[in-house]
Amino acid sequence: SAVISQKPSRDICQRGTSLTIQCQVDSQVTMMFWYRQQPGQSLTLIATANQGSEATYESGFVIDKFPISRPNLTFSTLTVSNMSPEDSSIYLCSVSTSGFTDTQYFGPGTRLTVL
Amino acid sequence: AQTVTQSQPEMSVQEAETVTLSCTYDTSESDYYLFWYKQPPSRQMILVIRQEAYKQQNATENRFSVNFQKAAKSFSLKISDSQLGDAAMYFCAYLEDSGGSNYKLTFGKGTLLTVNP
Repeated sequence: SAVISQKPSRDICQRGTSLTIQCQVDSQVTMMFWYRQQPGQSLTLIATANQGSEATYESGFVIDKFPISRPNLTFSTLTVSNMSPEDSSIYLCSVSTSGFTDTQYFGPGTRLTVL
Repeated sequence: AQTVTQSQPEMSVQEAETVTLSCTYDTSESDYYLFWYKQPPSRQMILVIRQEAYKQQNATENRFSVNFQKAAKSFSLKISDSQLGDAAMYFCAYLEDSGGSNYKLTFGKGTLLTVNP
């Protein structure tokens, strides 16, 4: 499995500001995904980040709020824009090295608190 | 939309004993994959076990095994010889091909497992 790191591991932010979360993988991967885990809840897919094409967002998530970049096969960023306390969550990236049949492996997550 | 249901919000087991966590899912697809992930307090999501729907044989990984009942759409996880380090939130997940080049992993709400010494 790939080794995945995320930065920052945690942050406390003021409402109205933006935070960019980085996800770095130690090998090239086909697919990268971003999930949100609200307090005490399960994981919800925000979007799929594809290298060389725009991210695909799930229902309820929009690019203006959660812009995503995927400049190469080992790196992606998720920005949480114009934050409100409702954005306080753990944000996790995951990767799969090939396609549909591959298992998704997760990064350690970023714990975001918005005051 | 596919759904994954974990009916046990919390479970507890004595160290060295066996525990079974339940999971059911709803799908009209015949080709899909099922997973169990664990999330300890460190919040890292760790893969426990994976099952391909086309395989009749139940997956096994050391002390972890599944009971996959495709017709019943049931996918339970059995943990044998439970250890203190098994304490975590366990999530059942379903992987479908959501079209094009995108693949959607849907999670259940989780079961919090406590291991008592």
